Amino acid sequence: GQQLNQSPQSMFIQEGEDVSMNCTSSSIFNTWLWYKQDPGEGPVLLIALYKAGELTSNGRLTAQFGITRKDSFLNISASIPSDVGIYFCAGQLSPGGSEKLVFGKGTKLTVNP
Amino acid sequence: DTAVSQTPKYLVTQMGNDKSIKCEQNLGHDTMYWYKQDSKKFLKIMFSYNNKELIINETVPNRFSPKSPDKAHLNLHINSLELGDSAVYFCASNDWSGNTIYFGEGSWLTVV
Repeated sequence: GQQLNQSPQSMFIQEGEDVSMNCTSSSIFNTWLWYKQDPGEGPVLLIALYKAGELTSNGRLTAQFGITRKDSFLNISASIPSDVGIYFCAGQLSPGGSEKLVFGKGTKLTVNP
Repeated sequence: DTAVSQTPKYLVTQMGNDKSIKCEQNLGHDTMYWYKQDSKKFLKIMFSYNNKELIINETVPNRFSPKSPDKAHLNLHINSLELGDSAVYFCASNDWSGNTIYFGEGSWLTVV
């Protein structure tokens, strides 16, 4: 089945540093999504990407949909303690309910004040 | 006002028991899902329903039986619980043509 390789698995950074994580796939996706999961909560959508090459920002977060449609990255600038959590990439062949989301294994982010 | 709510949040039960997790969404969505998150935090889809109709069934043991009485509810019943069923189960929903999947807060199931 489809798999997403997400890296790094975990990151330990100082407050104020920039963060970068990425996701690669062996097959093409037409939608890429980035979620954040806080402890004891469900994943919350951060950014959604629908076109190859698309670069989208949400505050300090920036994500790009790779040209080959087999990868995506997420950058966080000037990290703050509340950025702590697990970040998941997810791919979908097409938006909507007929296609499942395939998730990466997550990047656990720790921010030291 | 919680968009996707699931109950119970925590459930500890013995092997062999039967248990249910309930999910409700007040977003007017017509598609609902169950995802399982294992101890390594890996999220995997189990089922999806659209307007009470099963759309996706990801090779889940038939001890797991979803039930959708209406499009706002998708419950998960698990028979003969096993130790390996211990996980966090997330309910989610979106529009059939929608791009944003909203997750509930999760139900932590521990089988002892």
